Amino acid sequence: EVLLVQSGAEVKKPGESLRISCKGSGYIFSSYVISWVRQMPGKGLEWMGRIDPSDSYTNYSPSFQGHVSMSADKSIVTASLQWSSLRASDTAIYYCAREDGWNAFDIWGQGTVVTVSS
Amino acid sequence: QTVVTQEPSFSVSPGETVTLTCALSSGSVSTAYFPSWYQQSPGQAPRTLIYNTNSRSSGVPDRFSGSILGSQAALTITGAQADDDSVYYCVLYMGRSWVFGGGTKLTVL
Repeated sequence: EVLLVQSGAEVKKPGESLRISCKGSGYIFSSYVISWVRQMPGKGLEWMGRIDPSDSYTNYSPSFQGHVSMSADKSIVTASLQWSSLRASDTAIYYCAREDGWNAFDIWGQGTVVTVSS
Repeated sequence: QTVVTQEPSFSVSPGETVTLTCALSSGSVSTAYFPSWYQQSPGQAPRTLIYNTNSRSSGVPDRFSGSILGSQAALTITGAQADDDSVYYCVLYMGRSWVFGGGTKLTVL
């Protein structure tokens, strides 16, 4: 079975750093791009950007460029999303999703809840 | 910045057919945008329904279908069921990036 399993919920203070993860299983991890999607409380889905685990090439939505960074480690079949300085407005659920080329997102992680509050 | 627009809400009775649409703020949606559709129930991760305009994801009932209608992408639910009461999102490919629509809250009652 193809799965993306994300790390658990996080509670952080503004200004703190954070890394959340997304571990793939049941497929060749480096063969599929991973996208990250944000869902703020009570709001819709927003595409944040993607990373190609085969070469760690990234491209970010302009809305998120410079505030988050994406990485991937093929050896542990894990993609990560990282913040160096969190804001309260980063409070959201973050999903990773596998991209199947033009077929968009075929597999989704279960989501990681991030709460940023002083 | 390109905006992808969906109906904010829709209401349908069980057994009825409903078509949800996905439009661009400027221009027409075509197959070149590789439209896809996702269903999200409360507290759940999104579920893939339709990809590449009209291909149904594995395990998705055939009452869900995708198409291009005029200048918009469309998701049609033929014979809506109570289980279909969810939020539906479309996604379009914009060349190196994806853009989600705002979602349509479908109420089945």
